[in-house]
Amino acid sequence: EIVLTQSPATLSLSPGERATLSCGASQSVSSSYLAWYQQKPGLAPRLLIYDASSRATGIPDRFSGSGSGTDFTLTISRLEPEDFAVYYCQQYGSSPFTFGGGTKVEIK
Amino acid sequence: QVQLVESGGGVVQPGRSLRLSCAASGFTFSSYGMHWVRQAPGKGLEWVAVISYDGSNKYYADSVKGRFTISRDNSKNTLYLQMNSLRAEDTAVYYCAKSQDSYSYGGNDAFDIWGQGTMVTVSS
Repeated sequence: EIVLTQSPATLSLSPGERATLSCGASQSVSSSYLAWYQQKPGLAPRLLIYDASSRATGIPDRFSGSGSGTDFTLTISRLEPEDFAVYYCQQYGSSPFTFGGGTKVEIK
Repeated sequence: QVQLVESGGGVVQPGRSLRLSCAASGFTFSSYGMHWVRQAPGKGLEWVAVISYDGSNKYYADSVKGRFTISRDNSKNTLYLQMNSLRAEDTAVYYCAKSQDSYSYGGNDAFDIWGQGTMVTVSS
């Protein structure tokens, strides 16, 4: 099983600032089959990034993903008020399709 | 529009069974792998199971293997999760989710559409 470790657990930032979220894998993620999801309280997760760096339909270009192998990053270039939420990475290259523990981006 | 709607959650005693349903609309259900993902109260996301577009392949998390069964009825555009021998640690919101690409076993694809979730509480 591939274990994903997200850091930091909590990121306190102000609107307009840049957010950098990390996701480390215990072994290489095949073919960069890594996704990022955003989840707001009481709602289902929403797909942001797939295949490590491709934005999902309708996702603003302030969201970008990068990385390969065991190290991946989600960057939000300028935080908007609606971006404060919990973010999860997930690998879907090999079963079980594990999620990271999440990073909460909160308003400073 | 593309939509997934879960149902069947509720309060159940330990050791009992429950069947969840996920009704799909707005896309060709029979062409996509489907997943169940759960989230315990205040916790992160845990993948539970996947079924291929045609039902021929199924995979499970170790935590539910032998107790849960994923299935689908493509004629009814519905996904199921049969949960037996329920435990307190199965208490969670259960989401169904659609694989992004068609005609796959469900792996190698991100989850692009999610339902709103249904709550399962296992308690005596």
